[in-house]
Amino acid sequence: GDSVTQMEGPVTLSEEAFLTINCTYTATGYPSLFWYVQYPGEGLQLLLKATKADDKGSNKGFEATYRKETTSFHLEKGSVQVSDSAVYFCARASGGSYIPTFGRGTSLIVHP
Amino acid sequence: NAGVTQTPKFQVLKTGQSMTLQCAQDMNHNSMYWYRQDPGMGLRLIYYSASEGTTDKGEVPNGYNVSRLNKREFSLRLESAAPSQTSVYFCASSVFGDRSSYEQYFGPGTRLTVT
Repeated sequence: GDSVTQMEGPVTLSEEAFLTINCTYTATGYPSLFWYVQYPGEGLQLLLKATKADDKGSNKGFEATYRKETTSFHLEKGSVQVSDSAVYFCARASGGSYIPTFGRGTSLIVHP
Repeated sequence: NAGVTQTPKFQVLKTGQSMTLQCAQDMNHNSMYWYRQDPGMGLRLIYYSASEGTTDKGEVPNGYNVSRLNKREFSLRLESAAPSQTSVYFCASSVFGDRSSYEQYFGPGTRLTVT
């Protein structure tokens, strides 16, 4: 079945470091891809999305590019802040099932 | 717009007690979902409702029932709570119909402890 695999956390960084969180997905159909963020004590909120190959989603300094050839959608940010500390979820969804498949989440901890 | 709202925010139950978690959305979305989140398990879908009048089981439906009361409201009921149902419960909604609408909007969660 459809699946999403994320790197395990926690990822611990110092402020202003470069961030990469890896995500790969199963290529069944033509999925849309998403990154959601969950801040402590809150629900998930959409961070960015891409709906077709080579699209780049971006928001709040985060970016991810839809790579069909490697079935990847890695999340990157050039300079993280303490306020970026959260859990990040990669997800895919495609026709035939409008229900997203989520990865298990990657915890990011940013130290001052 | 309030988005997706959930009540209560916190609840403690004794084993065998029942309760209903409430969820409402004001975005005119067709589809609504209930998830549970447990450490190391990510999000698991309990039940969903593609549109008003329909409900379907997700990955982990045992021990739960749902009601799609109208287009806005989707409730989750625990008939006889068990310690294994201790979790954080999230309601979500989405528009159903095209590729860009797969994104979901989440409520703030209900933190349930069963003793």
